[in-house]
Amino acid sequence: SQWGEENLQALSIQEGEDVTMNCSYKTYTTVVQWYRQKSGKGPAQLILIRSNEREKRSGRLRATLDTSSQSSSLSITGTLATDTAVYFCATGNSAGNKLTFGIGTRVLVRP
Amino acid sequence: DTTVKQNPRYKLARVGKPVNLICSQTMNHDTMYWYQKKPNQAPKLLLFYYDKILNREADTFEKFQSSRPNNSFCSLYIGSAGLEYSAMYLCASSRGLGGRGTLYFGAGTRLSVL
Repeated sequence: SQWGEENLQALSIQEGEDVTMNCSYKTYTTVVQWYRQKSGKGPAQLILIRSNEREKRSGRLRATLDTSSQSSSLSITGTLATDTAVYFCATGNSAGNKLTFGIGTRVLVRP
Repeated sequence: DTTVKQNPRYKLARVGKPVNLICSQTMNHDTMYWYQKKPNQAPKLLLFYYDKILNREADTFEKFQSSRPNNSFCSLYIGSAGLEYSAMYLCASSRGLGGRGTLYFGAGTRLSVL
């Protein structure tokens, strides 16, 4: 598979805490994307980070990319109960026509 | 407010019967995708249309068919449903090719095969 992890990770945290989730990928990509899927909804993109970027921020979100180790992380600071969701990382193939998703990290933020 | 819509939201099918799922988008996107999502698994790309050209993944080539009668609509067709087809089916669209840009997803159709 594209991604190193095989099992769905699940995290349970208290509202206000920070959380970081990680992904590792196996094949070269020029782009890593992070998506969030809330219950009853489709995935929605949070951040797109390109291979020439090491870090990207959007509000309370921060994504990092380390192309040498082929890994990416997504951090959320000051979590809210509404951040409860499954978070997916995804990479594009070399042709740029497909996006392959990881298995995801389930985050439960307790109010 | 989603601009990718999927119908129906829930679908019950019998083993051996055909299934047709519908997706529409209002963003005039070039590309439309279908993913299959099973519990505790990654979304799996089944196929995509870039304009009028259909691309099916090698490992699901025989199992799924699709049509795109116009830019806005795309269907996913299963000729003979099996129990293993029970899953959430997610439709997405993108401007240009999605590997380098944003995919916009619908809320999905949950298919249960009995």
